[in-house]
Amino acid sequence: GDSVTQMEGPVTLSEEAFLTINCTYTATGYPSLFWYVQYPGEGLQLLLKATKADDKGSNKGFEATYRKETTSFHLEKGSVQVSDSAVYFCALSDTGANSKLTFGKGITLSVRP
Amino acid sequence: DVKVTQSSRYLVKRTGEKVFLECVQDMDHENMFWYRQDPGLGLRLIYFSYDVKMKEKGDIPEGYSVSREKKERFSLILESASTNQTSMYLCASTRPTGGNEKLFFGSGTQLSVL
Repeated sequence: GDSVTQMEGPVTLSEEAFLTINCTYTATGYPSLFWYVQYPGEGLQLLLKATKADDKGSNKGFEATYRKETTSFHLEKGSVQVSDSAVYFCALSDTGANSKLTFGKGITLSVRP
Repeated sequence: DVKVTQSSRYLVKRTGEKVFLECVQDMDHENMFWYRQDPGLGLRLIYFSYDVKMKEKGDIPEGYSVSREKKERFSLILESASTNQTSMYLCASTRPTGGNEKLFFGSGTQLSVL
């Protein structure tokens, strides 16, 4: 079945550091790929998405590119802020009419001033 | 502002109790989902529903059931709560658009079974 693998965490960075969070996937067909973020005490919210190969999703300074050849969707940000401290989930969705999301295990990012 | 509302933020129950977790969305979404979130395991799908009175099992349905009597409401039921069901439960909804649309999540219910 479909699966998503995220790098092990947690990750601790200093403010303004470069961030990369790795995500690889296994799926049949051509899934859509997502990054969701969960701030402390809140539910998940969509950070960015890409729906086909070579698409780049971006939002709030974060970027991720859909790489079909390496089945990857790594999340990057050039300069993290304390407010980026959260749990980040990579996810994929099959493309049926009634699709559902498969999530990775999530990774906790802590950014110190 | 669109919303998915879960009835309780924190809930404490005893082993063997029947537990109801309620979720209501105001976006007229057809699709609704229940996930549980555990440290180191991420989100795992318990049940989902694509229409009123319709339900399908997710990856970990054992020990749970659901009810969808109205489009806006999706209830998760623990028939006889056990300690291994202590977890954060997240409800979500979306439109049926072939997998490209985002899920809207509630804030979660932290359930403790003693």
